[in-house]
Amino acid sequence: DADVTQTPRNRITKTGKRIMLECSQTKGHDRMYWYRQDPGLGLRLIYYSFDVKDINKGEISDGYSVSRQAQAKFSLSLESAIPNQTALYFCATSGDRTSGSFNNEQFFGPGTRLTVL
Amino acid sequence: RKEVEQDPGPFNVPEGATVAFNCTYSNSASQSFFWYRQDCRKEPKLLMSVYSSGNEDGRFTAQLNRASQYISLLIRDSKLSDSATYLCVVNMGGGSQGNLIFGKGTKLSVKP
Repeated sequence: DADVTQTPRNRITKTGKRIMLECSQTKGHDRMYWYRQDPGLGLRLIYYSFDVKDINKGEISDGYSVSRQAQAKFSLSLESAIPNQTALYFCATSGDRTSGSFNNEQFFGPGTRLTVL
Repeated sequence: RKEVEQDPGPFNVPEGATVAFNCTYSNSASQSFFWYRQDCRKEPKLLMSVYSSGNEDGRFTAQLNRASQYISLLIRDSKLSDSATYLCVVNMGGGSQGNLIFGKGTKLSVKP
């Protein structure tokens, strides 16, 4: 089984709809991240969390919200989807509970391809 | 100046060629550096970390020049399976510990 899973893998929705993307991990990592990837723009950080209930804004948080209710789960919500939120969304994790280093590798989920019409 | 800059390519090379990718970063306080590989429509995966003394992993060599804020990746004896996009990644450290800044990637296509 994959260590970092994302659901759904693909989603087509309409403008104004509320969408939730889920991320789960079995790596025991404390830190979790949500990115979006657009052609020509690379990966951009939306939100990140270093522990349960810890939430921090990334580079492009407007229009998004997140929830970290458990160590293994980090969900991303689009309260009212708009077409320019069409992108490939990746969840990532890093850092186990025994490591104090911030240099840890990030492990990515397989991505969710979201299309907003 | 963008935080992490890479030549987007594409680099089209024959099998067996040696190819080098370069990357510059803007924050002199950056603390750690990586190369990630991303196959088409797949998630990024760590290829190698980049250390100040330079490091080698098989056909791959990474180097860091802190004075020039420059990172490089050299691939020797290219294989068809090396075709992918290579992402230069920098950890800015400080208050955003653990946060990585990704370059837009350099696309490599290795041809038979």
